[in-house]
Amino acid sequence: DVVLTQTPVSLLISLGGQASISCRSSQSLVHSNGNTYLHWYLQKPGQSPQLLIYQVSNRFSGIPDRFSGSGSGTDFTLKISRVEPEDLGVYYCLQRTHNPWTFGGGTKLELK
Amino acid sequence: QVTLKESGPGILQPSQTLSLTCTFSGFSLSTYGMGVGWIRQPSGKGLEWLANIWWDDDKYYNPSLKNRLTISKDTSNNQAFLKITNVDTADTATYYCARIYLRETTGFDYWGQGVMVTVSS
Repeated sequence: DVVLTQTPVSLLISLGGQASISCRSSQSLVHSNGNTYLHWYLQKPGQSPQLLIYQVSNRFSGIPDRFSGSGSGTDFTLKISRVEPEDLGVYYCLQRTHNPWTFGGGTKLELK
Repeated sequence: QVTLKESGPGILQPSQTLSLTCTFSGFSLSTYGMGVGWIRQPSGKGLEWLANIWWDDDKYYNPSLKNRLTISKDTSNNQAFLKITNVDTADTATYYCARIYLRETTGFDYWGQGVMVTVSS
């Protein structure tokens, strides 16, 4: 199975600051069709996960441009600029290039 | 508007079979490229993908639970189902269903609110 390692495990950020989360894969996430199926989710306290970024760098409907995704192959990054209170929660990456689909262990974003 | 809602027994005993239902609206599982997946999350822990079912009735399972999982759908009633046999306390979790649409985001784009399941004797 593909192992996704997220770092850091937790992140203390001031309001208005910038956060960067890494998701590193145990193998390349480039599919045989050329696409890279790496997605990012935010799970706010007490809520279901919500899709933020799909296929590395595409923002989902309604997601502000403060969220950006980048990366290729095995190394991916989610950046959150101008952190707001509603950004707090646990961030997960998901790969669906290889079966079984796997999630990273999560990164908890908290306010400093 | 896409919505999904999970339902389940709440509590069951070890060795029983867990039956979960996902009732959705705003999309059809007969549409090309459409799928529904099941994901679970033990309290305070991370997410684990369980199974997907697709518009063409193709099914994929997490091998770690494959022999215990059965996913199915009722397209006419906009429902998807997951059965887990021979449950034990390690199956205690919140279970989510989520939509997948290959022609758009290709990941789980809309999620249900989740249903808590406790396995206890």
